[in-house]
Amino acid sequence: EPEVTQTPSHQVTQMGQEVILRCVPISNHLYFYWYRQILGQKVEFLVSFYNNEISEKSEIFDDQFSVERPDGSNFTLKIRSTKLEDSAMYFCASSDRNNEKLFFGSGTQLSVL
Amino acid sequence: EDQVTQSPEALRLQEGESSSLNCSYTVSGLRGLFWYRQDPGKGPEFLFTLYSAGEEKEKERLKATLTKKESFLHITAPKPEDSATYLCAVQAEGDMRFGAGTRLTVKP
Repeated sequence: EPEVTQTPSHQVTQMGQEVILRCVPISNHLYFYWYRQILGQKVEFLVSFYNNEISEKSEIFDDQFSVERPDGSNFTLKIRSTKLEDSAMYFCASSDRNNEKLFFGSGTQLSVL
Repeated sequence: EDQVTQSPEALRLQEGESSSLNCSYTVSGLRGLFWYRQDPGKGPEFLFTLYSAGEEKEKERLKATLTKKESFLHITAPKPEDSATYLCAVQAEGDMRFGAGTRLTVKP
């Protein structure tokens, strides 16, 4: 069964460093998303991406965040200068239609020290 | 502000003991209500989408229903493998918004 894959599964970084989280969405999907979940809290929307541009973004997704689809298969989330409060599980998701069910990856656990 | 509230926060059941989880929402222009299951350390896994009041969906021991203000996830004769966090999410004009989830534990 097709699945969304994310790498790495765990990432530890120092405050102020840049990190890139990688995702390979399901191959025929057109809509891509990043969500995050701080330990014990809700899953929170960060950004949606369609047709090589951002469709929506939340207030969390400030200038320190960016997304890119560098080729036909990868979808990345970059955090330019990490803060302690960026520590969370980051989930990538994809769907084949807008506003339809999302397929999530297993997440990248980001720890900022 | 759009709100999604799930109750209870946690639920412990004996195997075979049926129950219901609640998701109440206040959104304008609901486009869809989604139920997901999340196991520890994993991403949410899609269960159901409901689009309009009165709609019902079933899958194995799970049945989801929708009214104009809330949705219920009914679990009939649960098994220990049904233990997980169940998340409700609503899609309105903007992004998909998740509730905090109900952590279900089913004891053998």
